[in-house]
Amino acid sequence: AQTVTQSQPEMSVQEAETVTLSCTYDTSESDYYLFWYKQPPSRQMILVIRQEAYKQQNATENRFSVNFQKAAKSFSLKISDSQLGDAAMYFCAYRSAHVNTGNQFYFGTGTSLTVIP
Amino acid sequence: KAGVTQTPRYLIKTRGQQVTLSCSPISGHRSVSWYQQTPGQGLQFLFEYFSETQRNKGNFPGRFSGRQFSNSRSEMNVSTLELGDSALYLCASSLGASNSYNSPLHFGNGTRLTVT
Repeated sequence: AQTVTQSQPEMSVQEAETVTLSCTYDTSESDYYLFWYKQPPSRQMILVIRQEAYKQQNATENRFSVNFQKAAKSFSLKISDSQLGDAAMYFCAYRSAHVNTGNQFYFGTGTSLTVIP
Repeated sequence: KAGVTQTPRYLIKTRGQQVTLSCSPISGHRSVSWYQQTPGQGLQFLFEYFSETQRNKGNFPGRFSGRQFSNSRSEMNVSTLELGDSALYLCASSLGASNSYNSPLHFGNGTRLTVT
């Protein structure tokens, strides 16, 4: 089974600064999808950004961008111009592209991000 | 479009009892997945249903079961509750078809189950 590792249980960032959250994964597959989800105290998981493994270009969504290193199996999330509303638990997730694997996502254990005013 | 709806939001049960959680997916989504979230363990996959069939199952005991109805709504049942079953149970829906595997999961607000 695939495993997803988030080695930073907690991170903090000053408001307006930039922070990078780390994620590594283990897989023998060549085609897959990677996601970052955010879970604020309200509990609802919200999609932040996604990346297709076959795309070399790093995904970007406004202040959020990723650094996808396929050979290193690394998928970090960069948050620029951090805002108070970015404070949340962030989860990295992996999903196989194989048609016979159903729709199972593998999640890391999360990184709790604190934004300091 | 309405989001994923989970009921109830909170539940308190006693050891040995059973519980049923409900999930209504986003309209048009045929895949419904269930995850157990506990502090330190992250999200653990329970099972996934697609078009009323269980397509994937995680590593949980048989006390955990589920089903999906023809309108894609899903229920999860836990029998003979144990203290360790206390957790946040998240339901997520997605398109789920093989030609839409890059589509993300859309989560509900979860059901917080406390077993005493």
